[in-house]
Amino acid sequence: DTEVTQTPKHLVMGMTNKKSLKCEQHMGHRAMYWYKQKAKKPPELMFVYSYEKLSINESVPSRFSPECPNSSLLNLHLHALQPEDSALYLCASSQDRVGFNQPQHFGDGTRLSIL
Amino acid sequence: GESVGLHLPTLSVQEGDNSIINCAYSNSASDYFIWYKQESGKGPQFIIDIRSNMDKRQGQRVTVLLNKTVKHLSLQIAATQPGDSAVYFCAENPGNQFYFGTGTSLTVIP
Repeated sequence: DTEVTQTPKHLVMGMTNKKSLKCEQHMGHRAMYWYKQKAKKPPELMFVYSYEKLSINESVPSRFSPECPNSSLLNLHLHALQPEDSALYLCASSQDRVGFNQPQHFGDGTRLSIL
Repeated sequence: GESVGLHLPTLSVQEGDNSIINCAYSNSASDYFIWYKQESGKGPQFIIDIRSNMDKRQGQRVTVLLNKTVKHLSLQIAATQPGDSAVYFCAENPGNQFYFGTGTSLTVIP
């Protein structure tokens, strides 16, 4: 079982809906990440939070809005998404910032489908 | 973006044989590398990592080899089992983020 928990596991939403993806870890990690993964492709980095501050935004459209309420939680707020945003959204965490050569631990993702 | 590629997109091996999955990377500044295993419907699972000051590291049934001269990384799985069937990704870290390779799908034939 993964130590990074993501909810919901599946989400279907219309283009005008607002929804949120949630991620939780209790390993004491201080860096958390959102990735997007399309079928048969590698994960693509979206956002990095380090010590609860946004440190990397990989030019992600504003219809994706991340939030880090505390060191254990990471949210991704979704609004006015497009069909091409359908993908597996993965959350990951690491003990410290990515530059410190530590592995990232992934959740099992939220499978998002935009109608 | 970074160029992290795998030589073979698919690999089929007989159960009990050894598997070798290869990965080429392009950034000579990368000093940390990870192999992940991703099963269907799950997130990537950490298998083994290696730092650039090493050229070999062994885990349980897995060995990672790093050749910095040619910027090549490989994952060796001993006595491959049906449960090893998955997509394997290498990832390199030049210091600011991880860059993932395109992935190799490993199928183990019983």
